[in-house]
Amino acid sequence: DTAVSQTPKYLVTQMGNDKSIKCEQNLGHDTMYWYKQDSKKFLKIMFSYNNKELIINETVPNRFSPKSPDKAHLNLHINSLELGDSAVYFCASSGLLGYTFGSGTRLTVV
Amino acid sequence: GDSVTQMEGPVTLSEEAFLTINCTYTATGYPSLFWYVQYPGEGLQLLLKATKADDKGSNKGFEATYRKETTSFHLEKGSVQVSDSAVYFCALSPYNNNDMRFGAGTRLTVKP
Repeated sequence: DTAVSQTPKYLVTQMGNDKSIKCEQNLGHDTMYWYKQDSKKFLKIMFSYNNKELIINETVPNRFSPKSPDKAHLNLHINSLELGDSAVYFCASSGLLGYTFGSGTRLTVV
Repeated sequence: GDSVTQMEGPVTLSEEAFLTINCTYTATGYPSLFWYVQYPGEGLQLLLKATKADDKGSNKGFEATYRKETTSFHLEKGSVQVSDSAVYFCALSPYNNNDMRFGAGTRLTVKP
C-alpha cells in the first residue's frame, strides 16, 4: 500500500504547455507539501497545505498553482512551462512521526 | 531563520570503511533533527531522528547524536556497504512546528 503516491512518474513536455501533477496520501495526515529538487539534489519547498488551506507559499512563480480538493490530495498545476522548470517534484505529507515522501515526478521541459 | 548545513560531497568510500557526514544547525529553541536518505530514483526516506539534546537516533547501523553544545547532528556508520550508496539529507523541524528545513544533501558512493 503506497502511503504517498504521485502521478505521473515521468513527464516530458514542450515549453509553453500546461501540465498537472497529482498527489494523494492515505496516511490521514493533515499537512501536505510540494518540493522541487534540482539537478544538484537541492530540495526547495514550494508549497505547504494544512487541511486544504495554504500555509506556506515560498517564492515560486505564479505559473505554479497548487490545488487541494481535500486533505488527502494536493495537486500541482504548472502553466506556460519553461526549460528551467525541469526538475524532480516531490509531494510529501507530515504527521506525528515525521514526513513521508512520494517517489517523485521527473519533469523534463524540451 | 532555522537552517542546517551539511558537508558537501560527493563522498566516495570503499566497502567496510567508516562513514561520517557532518551536519550543523542554526535554530532558535529546540528543534527536532533528522537524517533522510534518497536512493537512486526514489523519494526521501526517514533514516533516523532525535528530538532533544543528547538523544541518539539509530537505524540500519547508522547513528547520529543530537549535540546542543556544538549544534551538530553528524551521521556515522562503522562499516558501509555498497547498498548504502545514496544521497543523505540532514534536516531540522523547528520546535512546535511541522516545517522541515533540509540541507543540501551529500552523495555517498560506496565501491566494492
